[in-house]
Amino acid sequence: AQSVAQPEDQVNVAEGNPLTVKCTYSVSGNPYLFWYVQYPNRGLQFLLKYITGDNLVKGSYGFEAEFNKSQTSFHLKKPSALVSDSALYFCAVRDPSGGSYIPTFGRGTSLIVHP
Amino acid sequence: DTAVSQTPKYLVTQMGNDKSIKCEQNLGHDTMYWYKQDSKKFLKIMFSYNNKELIINETVPNRFSPKSPDKAHLNLHINSLELGDSAVYFCASSQDGSFNSPLHFGNGTRLTVT
Repeated sequence: AQSVAQPEDQVNVAEGNPLTVKCTYSVSGNPYLFWYVQYPNRGLQFLLKYITGDNLVKGSYGFEAEFNKSQTSFHLKKPSALVSDSALYFCAVRDPSGGSYIPTFGRGTSLIVHP
Repeated sequence: DTAVSQTPKYLVTQMGNDKSIKCEQNLGHDTMYWYKQDSKKFLKIMFSYNNKELIINETVPNRFSPKSPDKAHLNLHINSLELGDSAVYFCASSQDGSFNSPLHFGNGTRLTVT
C-alpha cells in the first residue's frame, strides 16, 4: 500500500529565509511523487513532480524538491520565502507497482511566512 | 476559460435532502475524480472515473453516487444528506490514468448540512 506522511502541521519562516516542507513516503516499488499548493477557498494547484532521473526537481513559483531514496523523502524547498507563499502544501504519491493510479495525499502542512 | 469548474460554490441544505454537485473539465482529460476535504483539511478520495471504469472508495456511503454523462463531466449526487456530510468537495481531472499525470482541481463546493 502507498502512503505519505507530512510530519509538520505548520511551518513558520521569515520572509527572505529559506523554507523546507517535509514529506516522507512508503511504497512497494518506485514512487511517483507530487507537491500541490492550496490557497484559501481554492482548489489544489500542481507545483512539481518527481518521476525518475535527477533527484532535484524544479517547479512553479521558484519551488524545488529533493528526492532521497535512502531516506524515502521528498522535501519541498525554496531558497527565499515570500509572504505570498503562505498556504497549505500537500505531498502526494502514486505507486505503479500497487496498480492504482489514484494518488494518496498527505495531511497537509500549513506554511506561514512572516513579513 | 476555467479548466475544472464546479457548481455550486456553496450549498446549504437540510438533513434528509438530496442534492447534486456538477463538475465539468475543458482540458480534454480522460480521468476525473471526486475528493472530500474535511474540516482538518484531510483529502479523501471518493470516486475516480477513467475510460468508463468507475473506481469507488469502499468507505464512501452508497448515498453518494457519481454520474458521468460524458468524458468532460462527472457529477456527484448525494441522497439523504447527513450532518457529517458537511465538507468541501473537490472535483479533479488528469490527462489519463497514467501515474505521471498531475491532477487539476476545481475550486471546490462547500456543503453545509443543517
